[in-house]
Amino acid sequence: GAVVSQHPSRVICKSGTSVKIECRSLDFQATTMFWYRQFPKKSLMLMATSNEGSKATYEQGVEKDKFLINHASLTLSTLTVTSAHPEDSSFYICSASHAGTSGSNEQFFGPGTRLTVL
Amino acid sequence: AQSVTQLGSHVSVSEGALVLLRCNYSSSVPPYLFWYVQYPNQGLQLLLKYTTGATLVKGINGFEAEFKKSETSFHLTKPSAHMSDAAEYFCAVSDWGGANNLFFGTGTRLTVIP
Repeated sequence: GAVVSQHPSRVICKSGTSVKIECRSLDFQATTMFWYRQFPKKSLMLMATSNEGSKATYEQGVEKDKFLINHASLTLSTLTVTSAHPEDSSFYICSASHAGTSGSNEQFFGPGTRLTVL
Repeated sequence: AQSVTQLGSHVSVSEGALVLLRCNYSSSVPPYLFWYVQYPNQGLQLLLKYTTGATLVKGINGFEAEFKKSETSFHLTKPSAHMSDAAEYFCAVSDWGGANNLFFGTGTRLTVIP
């Protein structure tokens, strides 16, 4: 159980175009979804946290207008990279959590999306 | 504020040798601690976690970690390394009592030498 999928797994786009990445919780309802960015050989950097039906909370330094996050349902969140540029090339990982009976709201991670902007 | 320090960005061990990956944390409140493993071009998989109770936590694939409050450490160990253990390992801390707002260390790449 607790499977999170991401689509696409890999995307290459031209500079100036927009790219949408989907994150789905397949077998549970995710009250909260998280978007991370991972630079090569670096750790995960939290970009934003989103709750279903609410606006996302962005971390300091993350451009809200650049990285649009929509959490329209309890099983789907999308990240849209608008007007992508080569510096946006990165590995984007989402995770999802739900209220657990143990009190530990574990995050379940998706497999990641490799974005390359030419 | 919460933070994690992983000593050693790269650790190499021989197959069958002890694996020790170090993690020290900083937290103003009782922490929840996690170890994740990441294989190339994949997401993160939870190895184990400490929330409350027993300080020695056993995880998947033979890994275990011990929470030592006095040392603010949560080192990951495995008695005998296997080739399939080669991956990137991340330690993370959360202070919410739920794994919201995870703070990750910079990761340790484990290489297993045949």
